[in-house]
Amino acid sequence: SQQGEEDPQALSIQEGENATMNCSYKTSINNLQWYRQNSGRGLVHLILIRSNEREKHSGRLRVTLDTSKKSSSLLITASRAADTASYFCATVPRSNTGKLIFGQGTTLQVKP
Amino acid sequence: DGGITQSPKYLFRKEGQNVTLSCEQNLNHDAMYWYRQDPGQGLRLIYYSQIVNDFQKGDIAEGYSVSREKKESFPLTVTSAQKNPTAFYLCASSPIFGQPGQGAHEQFFGPGTRLTVL
Repeated sequence: SQQGEEDPQALSIQEGENATMNCSYKTSINNLQWYRQNSGRGLVHLILIRSNEREKHSGRLRVTLDTSKKSSSLLITASRAADTASYFCATVPRSNTGKLIFGQGTTLQVKP
Repeated sequence: DGGITQSPKYLFRKEGQNVTLSCEQNLNHDAMYWYRQDPGQGLRLIYYSQIVNDFQKGDIAEGYSVSREKKESFPLTVTSAQKNPTAFYLCASSPIFGQPGQGAHEQFFGPGTRLTVL
């Protein structure tokens, strides 16, 4: 069951530009998490935002959550070629506190 | 990838054969998970284990089996009943399964095993 839908599916930008990825979901959540996956590798956790939080920052990452619209966005500022990867949002539905439901991801290419 | 190992990295199987994928963690985590990823897709949950000697089916458990006899190990067997087993398999762990009101913790992923059926 895919709860998160991400937009855009693919994004190509120049180094130094900002990259914004969006995630929409269907049911009430406990928290929402963002992960990064380099090609052919495992996922790496980036940031977790709880349902009672609206914004979180971690280095060049900024995540927002709008529970009324059931959506979240991930902003990467001043992107670097090393940011090239796929980015996934994962929601934790209130109905099952331990499971993550992943979206299909956004593939980001940062050109040097 | 630190703390969770998966082996082998690449695995080839003939149709009709069972194959077991290894997942080991040294993070002392209670919860462990198996996911399947198809090209250009997100992750789908196969099985999960909240604690040793316990496991539950995820969204796509048919054709798969698991065991959790030790806290650090959660092997996945892909049986011949799995009709389309070629995929990238990811194992993950988290400190605990989740807490009411807080939800799931972050998960730590292994490097993955790419299974190809010949």
